[in-house]
Parts: sequence; structure tokens; C-alpha cells
Amino acid sequence: DVQMTQSPSSLSASVGDRVTITCRTSQGINNLLAWFQQKPGKAPKSLIYGASTLETGVPSKFSGSGSGTEFSLTISSLQPEDSATYYCHQYDTYPITFGQGTRLEIK
Amino acid sequence: QVQLQESGPPGPVKPSGTLSLTCDVSAGSITNNYLWSWIRQPPGKGLEWIGEIWYSGKTNYSPSLKSRVTISLDSSKNQFSLRLTSVTAADTAIYFCARRGGWSDNWNLNYFDSWGQGTLVTVSS
Repeated sequence: DVQMTQSPSSLSASVGDRVTITCRTSQGINNLLAWFQQKPGKAPKSLIYGASTLETGVPSKFSGSGSGTEFSLTISSLQPEDSATYYCHQYDTYPITFGQGTRLEIK
Repeated sequence: QVQLQESGPPGPVKPSGTLSLTCDVSAGSITNNYLWSWIRQPPGKGLEWIGEIWYSGKTNYSPSLKSRVTISLDSSKNQFSLRLTSVTAADTAIYFCARRGGWSDNWNLNYFDSWGQGTLVTVSS
């Protein structure tokens, strides 16, 4: 299985800040990595696919980058509504695997 | 925008019993270009992919659950289902259904683009 190491597990930031979340994979995944946002009781929401392509309708404050085995999600101009848990997942190899999640708190 | 909604048992599932869930797909059809998946999240833990099904009925399962899992599809009802046998407390989780692309000419698109909000299934006597 492709192991996904996501960091940090949690972070706290202020309104207006920019944060970066990292996802490392145990092997190359042909950049077939996606990011999504999860809020309690809500359906997860896709943000980024193909490591860096923004999902339709997602604000440009979200951006993805990386290649090989290291990928990142950057969120700029943080707002209170960005408070959520963020996950990466790889879809290159079965079984599909997920990062452990990063809980983002907006102070 | 396609919408997915999980439904399941109103109460706990007994240990050694069978867990059955259904995912209703609305504002879109179960078509040949997508894979229809089940994913779960035990309380306080990470996400685990369970398996998926094509419109054709072809399935892919997680090796760790393969012996206990069956995913099926009913295109006439626009829904797909999960059946997990011989459940234990370790199967207590929020179960999500999700859709991902099944494009052979653009692998970039084969990510989970739509999710249900999840349903909590508890295994308890």
C-alpha cells in the first residue's frame, strides 16, 4: 500500500494568515493526488486534483503543488469558514489511501 | 452537481452480523464513466477505502476487507450498496459513499469528486 504521511496533524492560525499542509507518499504516485476539506456532519468537499488543479468553483485562495513523493496544500487569506479538517488522498495505486488529516483552527 | 446520500440501519448492528448500506445518487445518473465507492472512518481515526464498483458491475476491493465485502449496483434505482459480513466492534465507523472518475484517457480526473455526508454505523450487542 502507498503510505501517506500528512503534516501537521493540527494547526492554529489567524484570520488573514497563509498556511501550508504537506502530504508525503511512500512511493511515486504520478501526481495523482487530491485534497479535500471536511467539516463535521457535512459531505467532504473536493479542492484540488492532479496535485495542482483547482476544482471548479473552489476559490483561488486554495492551491496545490508538489511532485514525486511530496505535495502541499496552501490556503491563503484565511477566513473563519476555512476551519475544517483537510485530507490528501492518492488515486494512483490500489488500494486508494488517505492522509491522516490536518485539523485547521482559525483563531 | 451529483448528490449522494447514505442510508442504513436505524440501530446498532450485532457482532457477527451483516452491515448493509445503500447510497442514493441524485441530480445525476450512475454512468459508465465513474466508479462508485465506499469509504469509512472509525471514530477518531483516519479514512479507509473499502471498495468500488463500475456501472458494468466490475468491483475493486481493499485487500484487508475483501473476504467480507460485497458492493453492488442497481442502475434502475440509481443506487449502489455495501454489504459487510461478520462485523465486529472494529467495524464501527462513519461510512461514506463517494464517486470518482473512471477515465482511461485522463487519469488526473479519477479522484473523489463527490461525497455523501456519511452515516454512523455502530456494531454493538
